[in-house]
Amino acid sequence: EPEVTQTPSHQVTQMGQEVILRCVPISNHLYFYWYRQILGQKVEFLVSFYNNEISEKSEIFDDQFSVERPDGSNFTLKIRSTKLEDSAMYFCASSGTSGTEGETQYFGPGTRLLVL
Amino acid sequence: AQSVSQHNHHVILSEAASLELGCNYSYGGTVNLFWYVQYPGQHLQLLLKYFSGDPLVKGIKGFEAEFIKSKFSFNLRKPSVQWSDTAEYFCAVNKKSGTYKYIFGTGTRLKVLA
Repeated sequence: EPEVTQTPSHQVTQMGQEVILRCVPISNHLYFYWYRQILGQKVEFLVSFYNNEISEKSEIFDDQFSVERPDGSNFTLKIRSTKLEDSAMYFCASSGTSGTEGETQYFGPGTRLLVL
Repeated sequence: AQSVSQHNHHVILSEAASLELGCNYSYGGTVNLFWYVQYPGQHLQLLLKYFSGDPLVKGIKGFEAEFIKSKFSFNLRKPSVQWSDTAEYFCAVNKKSGTYKYIFGTGTRLKVLA
């Protein structure tokens, strides 16, 4: 069964450094998402991406964040200058074409980011 | 404002006990409803979903959920839990149009005692 994969599984970085989190969505999916979960809190939507552009972003997704689909398979989240409060688990998700599969998201295993 | 509430944050049950986890939502328009499970160290897995039709939906591993539109609820049930059901359970909602982004509940940690 196809899966969403994410790398790295863990990332430790110093405050102010740039990080890039990588995701490989399911190959025929068209919608891509990033979510995050701060320890002890709920999973929060960050951004959705469709047709090579951002389709919606949350208030959390400020100018420090960017997303890219650099080739036909990868989907990346970049945090330009990390802050302590960016420490969280980051989940990538993808979903298919419109209709039933376009509404069900499949999640990757997450990247745990720790900012020191 | 869009929100999803899961009232039970931690639940402890003995094996063979029945389970019901509550989920209520506040969301304008027509929605889809989901339950996901996260086993320790693993990713979110889809348990079941409701898009339309029969409000009682059956999912994997013996789970089911009932959509009650008048109560804006989508409670998860299992008649007899097993030790292997120990996990965190998330309710999520999205709209039937637009970006399909999910709004998640806070999650319920279930511990099943052998």
